[in-house]
Amino acid sequence: DGGITQSPKYLFRKEGQNVTLSCEQNLNHDAMYWYRQDPGQGLRLIYYSQIVNDFQKGDIAEGYSVSREKKESFPLTVTSAQKNPTAFYLCASSTTGGFGEAFFGQGTRLTVV
Amino acid sequence: KQEVTQIPAALSVPEGENLVLNCSFTDSAIYNLQWFRQDPGKGLTSLLLIQSSQREQTSGRLNASLDKSSGRSTLYIAASQPGDSATYLCAVIGGDKLVFGAGTILRVKS
Repeated sequence: DGGITQSPKYLFRKEGQNVTLSCEQNLNHDAMYWYRQDPGQGLRLIYYSQIVNDFQKGDIAEGYSVSREKKESFPLTVTSAQKNPTAFYLCASSTTGGFGEAFFGQGTRLTVV
Repeated sequence: KQEVTQIPAALSVPEGENLVLNCSFTDSAIYNLQWFRQDPGKGLTSLLLIQSSQREQTSGRLNASLDKSSGRSTLYIAASQPGDSATYLCAVIGGDKLVFGAGTILRVKS
C-alpha cells in the first residue's frame, strides 16, 4: 500500500527532553513537509525538503530540527528549545515543484508532561 | 507572502442540502489548489486537486472550481450527508510550499 506513515501516534515529552517524530513515505516523492496544527488553527509549516540532503525552514522552525538522509524518510526532532511543543504534527509529501497532489500521514499528537 | 482565507469558519446544515465552501488567496501565481478533509484527531485526506490551467474538478458529489485571476476557489457539496461532517481545508501550491487556510468546520445534521 502506497502512502505516508507517521509514528508514533501519541508521544509524551518531559520538560527539557528532545523527541523525534518519524515520517516515512513509499510514494517515491521528492518533496516532504512538516506541519504543526494547534486546536482551532490552520496548519503552519515547520520545515520542508525538496531533495535528499537539503531542507529549508518554514514559518515556525525555531526549536525544531530535521534531516533528509534518504528520499523515503524525513524525521522531525522537537528540541528542548521549543517552549510550547504540545500540538498535532503532520507530515506530507508531494512531487517536486508543487505540481502534484500532496498526501498526508495520520499525524502524531505530542504532549508535554 | 501568500495568505489563504476560508469562509465561513463553521457551517451547520440539515441533511440533503447543497452547500458551498469558499477559499480565497492573495497571490494568483499558484501551480495548484487542493481541497482536503480532516476528521477529528486524524490526518488530511485529499479530496480534489485543481491545476492552475484547469477551472474545475469533480469527484462524486464534490465539485471544486478555481478562478486564479480573482484569487478564489469554491468547493460545492451536493446532497450533503451526516458523514460529510468534518473540517475542510484548502491549500494553494506556489513555488515549493503548500499554504493552508484555517478551514471550515462542517456539521451536517440528520
